[in-house]
Amino acid sequence: EAQVTQNPRYLITVTGKKLTVTCSQNMNHEYMSWYRQDPGLGLRQIYYSMNVEVTDKGDVPEGYKVSRKEKRNFPLILESPSPNQTSLYFCASSLIFRGRDAGELFFGEGSRLTVL
Amino acid sequence: DAKTTQPPSMDCAEGRAANLPCNHSTISGNEYVYWYRQIHSQGPQYIIHGLKNNETNEMASLIITEDRKSSTLILPHATLRDTAVYYCIVRVGAHGSGNTGKLIFGQGTTLQVKP
Repeated sequence: EAQVTQNPRYLITVTGKKLTVTCSQNMNHEYMSWYRQDPGLGLRQIYYSMNVEVTDKGDVPEGYKVSRKEKRNFPLILESPSPNQTSLYFCASSLIFRGRDAGELFFGEGSRLTVL
Repeated sequence: DAKTTQPPSMDCAEGRAANLPCNHSTISGNEYVYWYRQIHSQGPQYIIHGLKNNETNEMASLIITEDRKSSTLILPHATLRDTAVYYCIVRVGAHGSGNTGKLIFGQGTTLQVKP
């Protein structure tokens, strides 16, 4: 089954304790991206990757890091989490824009992170 | 990628057609219009996309104006399960220049389907 898998789904942590949210897709997609969702602010893009070893900032990259060492994985790293990073996080993947089959994003189920 | 504008909320009676508008006045010729929806806090789900022709699938229809500056998503017979937040985004298609991978979702339209 084609899917994007995020882990953990729920996490409560404390300020300053490094954490990683993993994202894995089994569709051989080149494009992967991370979003955060906060009440009243919709989905905001954090980072994206167009292919292995190619990453770039979205609209709200501060406080986050990513890496893309393998095509299927795109982990989101919070080196020193702060309470303002409490949010619902989504990972998504897609092919790279090949005509009519281009661009449909597949989303993971979300990771709800609370930083105390 | 261009930005889109949607009304924050809409109501629709169950069984009636829901028409959700989206403005994308700065859309480029190589940008597709995509619609997604999000039910509660689940991951957004793809609905439909198009470039310039109207499109229909088993979920919805997409009507794009001739100048491509706006579009309308139509749910022909809305049910209570269609209550969700609907997002309209634009995205560069194949061979498009300026394809940065940056996507702007905005806040979407909250559609409330009422019995």
